[in-house]
Amino acid sequence: GESVGLHLPTLSVQEGDNSIINCAYSNSASDYFIWYKQESGKGPQFIIDIRSNMDKRQGQRVTVLLNKTVKHLSLQIAATQPGDSAVYFCADTYNFNKFYFGSGTKLNVKP
Amino acid sequence: EAQVTQNPRYLITVTGKKLTVTCSQNMNHEYMSWYRQDPGLGLRQIYYSMNVEVTDKGDVPEGYKVSRKEKRNFPLILESPSPNQTSLYFCASSLAAGVPDTQYFGPGTRLTVL
Repeated sequence: GESVGLHLPTLSVQEGDNSIINCAYSNSASDYFIWYKQESGKGPQFIIDIRSNMDKRQGQRVTVLLNKTVKHLSLQIAATQPGDSAVYFCADTYNFNKFYFGSGTKLNVKP
Repeated sequence: EAQVTQNPRYLITVTGKKLTVTCSQNMNHEYMSWYRQDPGLGLRQIYYSMNVEVTDKGDVPEGYKVSRKEKRNFPLILESPSPNQTSLYFCASSLAAGVPDTQYFGPGTRLTVL
């Protein structure tokens, strides 16, 4: 089956620093990738997406980078704030019907 | 307010006792989906529905059923729950399958099967 994994289960950063969360995927047919944020006790929330024909996409304080050669995806959060503390998931799909999630990285922001 | 609601939010039951977890969305979304979340495994898709009367299996459909008789509702049915179905369940909806950036998740249902 599909395999989408994350490099680190926990990431601790200082408030104001930039955060980088990584993700690897295995299906070369995947053509759409999504990052989600899940706060404690809540459902996942869409952050940003990127299509396979792009290398980079920027949002508000977030940037997603896609390296199809090594099947690697990263989420960069600029000037990390305490409100960014959450678990972050990457997900991919190749037909927009089925979605495959990674196991998640917990981001801790230290004041 | 745009939202996905799930009921119940918490449920403790026993092996073999049929149960239904309801999911309802008020956004007229076509695409709906169920996931289970287990520690260390992330979210895994159980079933999805492209529209009314159109459902299909996700990655882990065994032991589950769904129905989509109305656009707003997508109940998850466990005919004979077993302890390995103890998990946190999320329902999600999006405008259509091809626009996951419109996806909303419900608050989750924590199910314990004894």
